[in-house]
Amino acid sequence: GQQVMQIPQYQHVQEGEDFTTYCNSSTTLSNIQWYKQRPGGHPVFLIQLVKSGEVKKQKRLTFQFGEAKKNSSLHITATQTTDVGTYFCAGKVTTSGTYKYIFGTGTRLKVLA
Amino acid sequence: DGGITQSPKYLFRKEGQNVTLSCEQNLNHDAMYWYRQDPGQGLRLIYYSQIVNDFQKGDIAEGYSVSREKKESFPLTVTSAQKNPTAFYLCASRYWHLDEDRETFFGQGTRLTVV
Repeated sequence: GQQVMQIPQYQHVQEGEDFTTYCNSSTTLSNIQWYKQRPGGHPVFLIQLVKSGEVKKQKRLTFQFGEAKKNSSLHITATQTTDVGTYFCAGKVTTSGTYKYIFGTGTRLKVLA
Repeated sequence: DGGITQSPKYLFRKEGQNVTLSCEQNLNHDAMYWYRQDPGQGLRLIYYSQIVNDFQKGDIAEGYSVSREKKESFPLTVTSAQKNPTAFYLCASRYWHLDEDRETFFGQGTRLTVV
């Protein structure tokens, strides 16, 4: 079936280090969305990428969508303790006149002060 | 304020009992979803509904049931047939249109513990 895998599953970094999570789909995606879930909280939307090769930035966060629209990445520069949480990608798969979003397995980030 | 309300936040039930989790949204969204999240794992889709009085099974529907009698409400029943019901349950909603892409909004979640 259609799957969206994320790596790594866990990442511990020292505050100030960079962090990257990768999202890989078995099928071509119409777009991809990224969400952040703080510990004990619920996922909150961060951004959406639509075009092949698209790159978007939000302060220290850089999001990329692969040329083949099958993979994406989220890079955080100089992590802070406020970056702690689980980051999910959600890929849009369109089939037969409808669509669904498939959530990735998530990457849990822990930032050590 | 617009949003999704899930209740209760914490729920304890004895094994063998059915339990219903509430989800209400006032965002006027057509599509509503139920996800299950286990510790250290991603979001797994249980059921979803794109229109009132219609719903579809997700990836892990066995042992669960839903109803969509009103646009605002999408309750989830965890039945005694669900072998491992202890988990964090997230309700979500989205504006649904084939040619438009919008974000998914999530409720605060219900943590169900079956003892």
